[in-house]
Amino acid sequence: KAGVTQTPRYLIKTRGQQVTLSCSPISGHRSVSWYQQTPGQGLQFLFEYFSETQRNKGNFPGRFSGRQFSNSRSEMNVSTLELGDSALYLCASSPDRWGTGELFFGEGSRLTVL
Amino acid sequence: GENVEQHPSTLSVQEGDSAVIKCTYSDSASNYFPWYKQELGKGPQLIIDIRSNVGEKKDQRIAVTLNKTAKHFSLHITETQPEDSAVYFCAASGEDWGKLQFGAGTQVVVTP
Repeated sequence: KAGVTQTPRYLIKTRGQQVTLSCSPISGHRSVSWYQQTPGQGLQFLFEYFSETQRNKGNFPGRFSGRQFSNSRSEMNVSTLELGDSALYLCASSPDRWGTGELFFGEGSRLTVL
Repeated sequence: GENVEQHPSTLSVQEGDSAVIKCTYSDSASNYFPWYKQELGKGPQLIIDIRSNVGEKKDQRIAVTLNKTAKHFSLHITETQPEDSAVYFCAASGEDWGKLQFGAGTQVVVTP
């Protein structure tokens, strides 16, 4: 069974640009969560989607948005990039919201903002 | 909201010794406590978890203990091996499995 796939793995953007990151969950998984990982703030929850609906949102500005498609694939978008948005963005999937609780993480998309 | 504190931030152990990482949480409503291992260049991987109705759980060389009254939970790794070297994160959540509050992480280095 293929794991969680995130694309692109690495990208470089400049301040003010926008970026879209993609996540394909494990086949059959319907819940997708996104996390931001930085050396200073650690792992921080961005949002969670289940069946195309956003169920939870973390404490990030409105520049951070996401969506989930009918095939459970998810995208997150960051507009008007700032230097502080440089981070590893991790996607995680789980079978459903009331399952084992285990999150399966992808390897992340490393974003550098110059 | 939930706040999870994790100690120590770095831990160096000799191969074969035990390693202990401790976490505290603030939200008494939290009922799910997973531990993740993150190797360089990879995403976190669940190694063990515990729920609030259980005090201890073991899986081979790894064990987790939970003290709900004190809001403490700990990871114990026995007979450490070089491949145990990684960053370990504790986390806590309530009913929303996808919304985990992570600790800051512990860099574990096992020297042969």
